[in-house]
Amino acid sequence: DTAVSQTPKYLVTQMGNDKSIKCEQNLGHDTMYWYKQDSKKFLKIMFSYNNKELIINETVPNRFSPKSPDKAHLNLHINSLELGDSAVYFCASSPFRDSTEAFFGQGTRLTVV
Amino acid sequence: KQEVTQIPAALSVPEGENLVLNCSFTDSAIYNLQWFRQDPGKGLTSLLLIQSSQREQTSGRLNASLDKSSGRSTLYIAASQPGDSATYLCAVQYSGAGSYQLTFGKGTKLSVIP
Repeated sequence: DTAVSQTPKYLVTQMGNDKSIKCEQNLGHDTMYWYKQDSKKFLKIMFSYNNKELIINETVPNRFSPKSPDKAHLNLHINSLELGDSAVYFCASSPFRDSTEAFFGQGTRLTVV
Repeated sequence: KQEVTQIPAALSVPEGENLVLNCSFTDSAIYNLQWFRQDPGKGLTSLLLIQSSQREQTSGRLNASLDKSSGRSTLYIAASQPGDSATYLCAVQYSGAGSYQLTFGKGTKLSVIP
């Protein structure tokens, strides 16, 4: 019944590993986002897709690559994980690109050791 | 570049008090402003959304105002309850780099003491 779901909720991994975080929305929305919340609680947008098309690509390392197999899914792949990647990552969706609403997932807490 | 600031960073009040959370933004060319609530271990919950053409929105004990010209918004919580304890985030949506983006403040951590 969850509108925007992220998996896993917690992820602990070693430096250098490659990991993925999955996001799915069952709201029929066109637009999906990935946000990173750092240790200071600041949320920053990383990527946005609209109907599987990348529309926002903020300045993030190339090690981060989003993939949208269909408009209900937006996965985040991270290669060669670094300590500084530790954060909570939030997925969100909006009905359409210009929508004034955003629905967020519960977040994935990534810890790199 | 849009910047969003929230004051105070933390607030502790006794149950039953009315309180105001403040949000300011640097670029008044926004589409809307949203207030969110974040509970530990949970995602963000949208509380109120104010369109750029609106001045305020109300939902239950919550009232949010928007003054675009001065770049300010306030969230008023009436008769606070312990269940209101959470971090409250303000976010503005605007057009930037040819697309629409959300920029968040750092939040105000509210504690309502029974």
